[in-house]
Amino acid sequence: KAGVTQTPRYLIKTRGQQVTLSCSPISGHRSVSWYQQTPGQGLQFLFEYFSETQRNKGNFPGRFSGRQFSNSRSEMNVSTLELGDSALYLCASSLAGTGNNSPLHFGNGTRLTVT
Amino acid sequence: AQSVTQPDIHITVSEGASLELRCNYSYGATPYLFWYVQSPGQGLQLLLKYFSGDTLVQGIKGFEAEFKRSQSSFNLRKPSVHWSDAAEYFCAVGAPIQGAQKLVFGQGTRLTINP
Repeated sequence: KAGVTQTPRYLIKTRGQQVTLSCSPISGHRSVSWYQQTPGQGLQFLFEYFSETQRNKGNFPGRFSGRQFSNSRSEMNVSTLELGDSALYLCASSLAGTGNNSPLHFGNGTRLTVT
Repeated sequence: AQSVTQPDIHITVSEGASLELRCNYSYGATPYLFWYVQSPGQGLQLLLKYFSGDTLVQGIKGFEAEFKRSQSSFNLRKPSVHWSDAAEYFCAVGAPIQGAQKLVFGQGTRLTINP
């Protein structure tokens, strides 16, 4: 079974631009979560989508948004990029049905550099 | 809100030696607990998880962890490390009421193996 696929692997953007990252979950997984990883702040939860609805949200500004499609694929968008948005963005999927203790399976991430 | 502390930023052990990585959490009830491992340039791989029941949990690659409620700890152990175990290890905690998708991660412990 294929793992979580994130595209692109690397991105370089300029301050003020916007960016869209894509995530394809493991087949059959209906929940997709996004995390930001930086050297200073570590791993921080952004949001989780389940059945096309945002189910959980972290403490990030509104510039960070996401969505999930009917095939469970997800995208996250960051608008008006700032230098501090440079990070590894990790997507994770899980079965997460009515029992919500299904563990996360992570992709290899998208490395975003903002210049 | 839950929190996680990994007291050791960096640990060096010799190949074949035993390993224990420490993790302390803060949460008012029994949390979901996880250990993940990350190799350079890669995403996170789940080593093991604790939801309830037996407090000694077996994981992949010969790792195990023990949940100690009285000490609010979930330390990771391996009896004999291999050079391929060199990586960064993350402990994570989730609140059952929020599910296993919204996790709080520790800052990580980087493991170096001496030949």
